[in-house]
Amino acid sequence: DAKTTQPPSMDCAEGRAANLPCNHSTISGNEYVYWYRQIHSQGPQYIIHGLKNNETNEMASLIITEDRKSSTLILPHATLRDTAVYYCIVSYGNKLVFGAGTILRVKS
Amino acid sequence: ETGVTQTPRHLVMGMTNKKSLKCEQHLGHNAMYWYKQSAKKPLELMFVYNFKEQTENNSVPSRFSPECPNSSHLFLHLHTLQPEDSALYLCASSQEEPPWGSSYNEQFFGPGTRLTVL
Repeated sequence: DAKTTQPPSMDCAEGRAANLPCNHSTISGNEYVYWYRQIHSQGPQYIIHGLKNNETNEMASLIITEDRKSSTLILPHATLRDTAVYYCIVSYGNKLVFGAGTILRVKS
Repeated sequence: ETGVTQTPRHLVMGMTNKKSLKCEQHLGHNAMYWYKQSAKKPLELMFVYNFKEQTENNSVPSRFSPECPNSSHLFLHLHTLQPEDSALYLCASSQEEPPWGSSYNEQFFGPGTRLTVL
């Protein structure tokens, strides 16, 4: 079973930052936090991952709390094309366990 | 071709048929995966191949038989399926280092094969 809890859905205005929360209170010391997204009818797409430190790439930022029990994915300027299901995954190594994810709807 | 390709994109089969799904990755990766995504259920990892060796079988029924002839190709052979096996089957690949299964690298997914079992 997935070790993460995410809200089922969120709305965000186009051009605004989208902040997607994830709880993973049972995370182990060697488990990473991954974020993927799935746009309708496509395969999932990797966004970002991290262990302890905050991470940033061209797509998003990942903020992990100091106790590692929760994290937030930030899309700094959401566009309509960011509408998708966002999955927060906690995993050791390459065996990813997906949960239900958060449906993010970006609205104009 | 670039990335991860899957064929066919759509497949309809009867319960007595035998069919195969094909996945090819053009990324030079050494690990490949099969996932299943049923309606209203999360993606489920089915099989993991690290450097052509199966390292994970997530309690998948024997009517699903994977084959990895080389690090670029992955097949899923299907026989005597049930209607509840209808789903989107996704292939992915990544570049891994030994010890197998311990690294944290991005997985690249293909577009999937939409399977309908009648």
